[in-house]
Amino acid sequence: ETGVTQTPRHLVMGMTNKKSLKCEQHLGHNAMYWYKQSAKKPLELMFVYNFKEQTENNSVPSRFSPECPNSSHLFLHLHTLQPEDSALYLCASSPETGGVYNEQFFGPGTRLTVL
Amino acid sequence: GQNIDQPTEMTATEGAIVQINCTYQTSGFNGLFWYQQHAGEAPTFLSYNVLDGLEEKGRFSSFLSRSKGYSYLLLKELQMKDSASYLCAVIDSNYQLIWGAGTKLIIKP
Repeated sequence: ETGVTQTPRHLVMGMTNKKSLKCEQHLGHNAMYWYKQSAKKPLELMFVYNFKEQTENNSVPSRFSPECPNSSHLFLHLHTLQPEDSALYLCASSPETGGVYNEQFFGPGTRLTVL
Repeated sequence: GQNIDQPTEMTATEGAIVQINCTYQTSGFNGLFWYQQHAGEAPTFLSYNVLDGLEEKGRFSSFLSRSKGYSYLLLKELQMKDSASYLCAVIDSNYQLIWGAGTKLIIKP
């Protein structure tokens, strides 16, 4: 595996379900990100981890819970979601956070549908 | 507030040239990225500008004017595979990446 991988690619869940999204990066990076991408809207940054420590939480509802056990893996735990949470969830990584040149490498995303 | 503006959608013809504009109002500026995103796929890096002027990479070029808060992505000799969304993103003074909503480019034969 190379780059950034995400599983599952597609997920349909009910509002009472609990599920988890997984992201893995094989680039040796120290920073990982979760984004939400909705149609015709800018990417919304949800969480940032740098060296396994959470550095950003952009007012994300508690029904989204991130976990970063090491610099290569990132999870997003989902519970009691709402239909408006349906979107593409993208994971990204970069060498570190901050800095003037910090190219982020993205995974293919998980297309989430909440019924 | 911080804002990045891009056209929502553009259409161009195969073999032609298209320019996608991006204007920004952000708290500070530390660089600007362009990414390409095909439908259902990951965004991929195209270019980075931090100084004024034109950066050329093959068929793609990116221009920046910091005084005008303006950038454009120029695509030459368009191919059908260039049909995608193009995302503009600016690094602000806190080194946060501020994203535009993207421009969907449709290429017609």
